[in-house]
Amino acid sequence: AQSVTQLDSQVPVFEEAPVELRCNYSSSVSVYLFWYVQYPNQGLQLLLKYLSGSTLVKGINGFEAEFNKSQTSFHLRKPSVHISDTAEYFCAVSRDDKIIFGKGTRLHILP
Amino acid sequence: NAGVTQTPKFRILKIGQSMTLQCTQDMNHNYMYWYRQDPGMGLKLIYYSVGAGITDKGEVPNGYNVSRSTTEDFPLRLELAAPSQTSVYFCASSQIGQGRNTIYFGEGSWLTVV
Repeated sequence: AQSVTQLDSQVPVFEEAPVELRCNYSSSVSVYLFWYVQYPNQGLQLLLKYLSGSTLVKGINGFEAEFNKSQTSFHLRKPSVHISDTAEYFCAVSRDDKIIFGKGTRLHILP
Repeated sequence: NAGVTQTPKFRILKIGQSMTLQCTQDMNHNYMYWYRQDPGMGLKLIYYSVGAGITDKGEVPNGYNVSRSTTEDFPLRLELAAPSQTSVYFCASSQIGQGRNTIYFGEGSWLTVV
């Protein structure tokens, strides 16, 4: 069975500082990996996804994530955050037609 | 660019009442889903459909029903509303299956049962 663990429920970070949101998954088979973002009072939208190929994936709004098979991780990073990045971020793992979402990490940007 | 549209956005129900959350998508997606989101709990799949006329249960189907008479529409019915159904509900769709393709979400429906 697949599972997703987002290690931090909340991450505070100062504006213009770098950020890393952690995601670990467990699966006995190859999976596809996603990060979704949910801005306040909105639905989720895709930030980036890893299907195959290069382990470094670039997404929208300057975010990127690196797939690490040996550590079963897919951490999300941004070198310099902006107040507009305030949102909840969800890691997800998928295999075949099933997708499992993590519980989310709320990113707080401090002025 | 309508995408996935769900209504109503907000609703207050009394215990025991029934209601239907409407969802429609204009992307000709074959897969559609209903999720509920509770604080700190992530997303839980209620029901999903792989095409018109086909529906299946997700993780938390009790207290809900769905139908899929057309490709575009996937309404979620709450029968005999209970306080435990207070939540934010999201409808979503995708082209083939969740495995490779992006899921597109509606903007959510905030439901309170009192």
